[in-house]
Amino acid sequence: AQSVTQLGSHVSVSEGALVLLRCNYSSSVPPYLFWYVQYPNQGLQLLLKYTTGATLVKGINGFEAEFKKSETSFHLTKPSAHMSDAAEYFCAVTGGNNRKLIWGLGTSLAVNP
Amino acid sequence: DADVTQTPRNRITKTGKRIMLECSQTKGHDRMYWYRQDPGLGLRLIYYSFDVKDINKGEISDGYSVSRQAQAKFSLSLESAIPNQTALYFCATRSNSGGVSSYNEQFFGPGTRLTVL
Repeated sequence: AQSVTQLGSHVSVSEGALVLLRCNYSSSVPPYLFWYVQYPNQGLQLLLKYTTGATLVKGINGFEAEFKKSETSFHLTKPSAHMSDAAEYFCAVTGGNNRKLIWGLGTSLAVNP
Repeated sequence: DADVTQTPRNRITKTGKRIMLECSQTKGHDRMYWYRQDPGLGLRLIYYSFDVKDINKGEISDGYSVSRQAQAKFSLSLESAIPNQTALYFCATRSNSGGVSSYNEQFFGPGTRLTVL
């Protein structure tokens, strides 16, 4: 069965510092992987996704993620954090029959001035 | 205009009341989903629908029912609300283009905050 683990429910960084949010998955089939962001009092929006092809995926707002099959990871990074990046971030993987997404529990990112 | 809308945005109700949350979309997607979000528990799938005649239970469907009135509308009902159904509820849609070998992203509504007293 597919599953997603996000390491660290809360991450705090300083403005301008590297952002690293960790996501590990398990899947019995080649996965499709997603990162979503939820700003306060809003719905979720897609940051980036990996389906096939290039393993380094670039998304909106300067975020990127790298699919590492050997490590079953899809960590999200941003070189320099901005105050506006403070939000909840969710990693998700497709279920085995591609009918739905399996979600991680989320990581809350705080950015300190 | 928003592509996925949810009404109401906020609702406070009492235990035992029947509540309906509505979701409408203008994206033309055939797949629609209802989730609830609780702090520390992430998103949990309640029901999903692949078309008007294809409705499926998610991981936490007990106490909920749904109706897919049209391709663009998917309603979630709590027949007799209880306090542990207090949560943030999201509707999402997805296109089926590309067939079973692909998976397009889901698009979310703004959410409905439901409080059951």
